[in-house]
Amino acid sequence: QVHLVESGGGVVQPGRSLRLSCAASAFIFSGYAMHWVRQAPGKGLEWVALISYDGSKKYYADSVKGRFTISRDNSKNALYVQMNSLRVEDSAVYYCARGPLYYGDYSRFDSWGQGTLVTVSS
Amino acid sequence: QSVLTQPPSVSAAPGQKVTISCSGSSSHIGNNFVSWYQQLPGTAPKLLIYDNNKRPSGIPDRFSGSKSGTSATLGITGLQTGDEADYYCGAWVSSLSAVVFGGGTKLTVL
Repeated sequence: QVHLVESGGGVVQPGRSLRLSCAASAFIFSGYAMHWVRQAPGKGLEWVALISYDGSKKYYADSVKGRFTISRDNSKNALYVQMNSLRVEDSAVYYCARGPLYYGDYSRFDSWGQGTLVTVSS
Repeated sequence: QSVLTQPPSVSAAPGQKVTISCSGSSSHIGNNFVSWYQQLPGTAPKLLIYDNNKRPSGIPDRFSGSKSGTSATLGITGLQTGDEADYYCGAWVSSLSAVVFGGGTKLTVL
């Protein structure tokens, strides 16, 4: 059974940085695109970033472009997002989610982690 | 304001059928697949429908998806109290290289 576990969340001041990790197991991680999706308290889902199975392609939501960097280490079955210049509006639960095998419909997230909470506050 | 438009809430009685709409444009729904997600209170979202109308293994056939033009619909029959959740549609926007979600629809089973 696919297992995704996020970590690295916490409370951080505006303007500071934070790095989230997602540990993947029970599937061939290197074959799948991966995403970060966030959800502010009481709000809907917001897609954050996507990385292709081999890391060659990266896409970002306009709201995080230039501040967040998605990456992966297929040798460690791990997904990351480096979040810089954090803003209050970045406060949310951050989920990692599995995308399609190799290439396919990128709106298909077939497995999700439990999420990690990021709070940006002074 | 979300790119994809969903009704904020729908409700129906147990055993009845409900549909949830997701309206977009040719930029996303019209030219790409639509996925649907169920988020039970306090939990992570779960994939219900992908490729407009396909169900992952383990999803009962009470859940169905369809797409016509620039709109998609999630149907749920034989409603159960356990179906009370938030439901989201999502689609890829090729021109933006981005995924967009609807604002979510809260289903209440009366």
